[in-house]
Amino acid sequence: GAVVSQHPSRVICKSGTSVKIECRSLDFQATTMFWYRQFPKKSLMLMATSNEGSKATYEQGVEKDKFLINHASLTLSTLTVTSAHPEDSSFYICSVPDFQYGYTFGSGTRLTVV
Amino acid sequence: QKEVEQNSGPLSVPEGAIASLNCTYSDRGSQSFFWYRQYSGKSPELIMSIYSNGDKEDGRFTAQLNKASQYVSLLIRDSQPSDSATYLCAVLDRGSTLGRLYFGRGTQLTVWP
Repeated sequence: GAVVSQHPSRVICKSGTSVKIECRSLDFQATTMFWYRQFPKKSLMLMATSNEGSKATYEQGVEKDKFLINHASLTLSTLTVTSAHPEDSSFYICSVPDFQYGYTFGSGTRLTVV
Repeated sequence: QKEVEQNSGPLSVPEGAIASLNCTYSDRGSQSFFWYRQYSGKSPELIMSIYSNGDKEDGRFTAQLNKASQYVSLLIRDSQPSDSATYLCAVLDRGSTLGRLYFGRGTQLTVWP
């Protein structure tokens, strides 16, 4: 399947600051990528669908002004958590859909806001 | 809202036993189904995909699909302690080739030596 690289793997930031998470599809041109959030012992919750060259599609209840998504190329999507608060602390994971092999997930980013 | 339900677990089996994981889904027209394994603190990794009714085997893993009953399962034969993880059932949005997946809440499996 697609090879997906996600960075950083772990980040600690202060309340009020912004954090950018990168998701790269290394061997597959991805017109679509997905961003998920997972709280401890909970399942994955889809936050938004990232679309190359156009605006992201956000799930109901996800603040688009807080979680900025940019998908400027076929290999890179970024998620920026703006004005982070402790309740934003979570595990953020991107996913690249590959029609032939299914959906490949990035390694995830553990965000802690202090 | 499309629903994907998994047996709540946690499930605990001895080493060498068969672990059975179950999943039901609400959208009768769904066509594509996936099982992911997620170790604690890690991201999910794909174990099996299944698209047709019946069984699909890959090594110690067998996925079973029954679209009439809207039911998909995963059997793990000769369970090993390294199989201890959370198993996520996922269903692809109907009519979508590269669309979103709907996930169940996961079943936590523990294989004890």
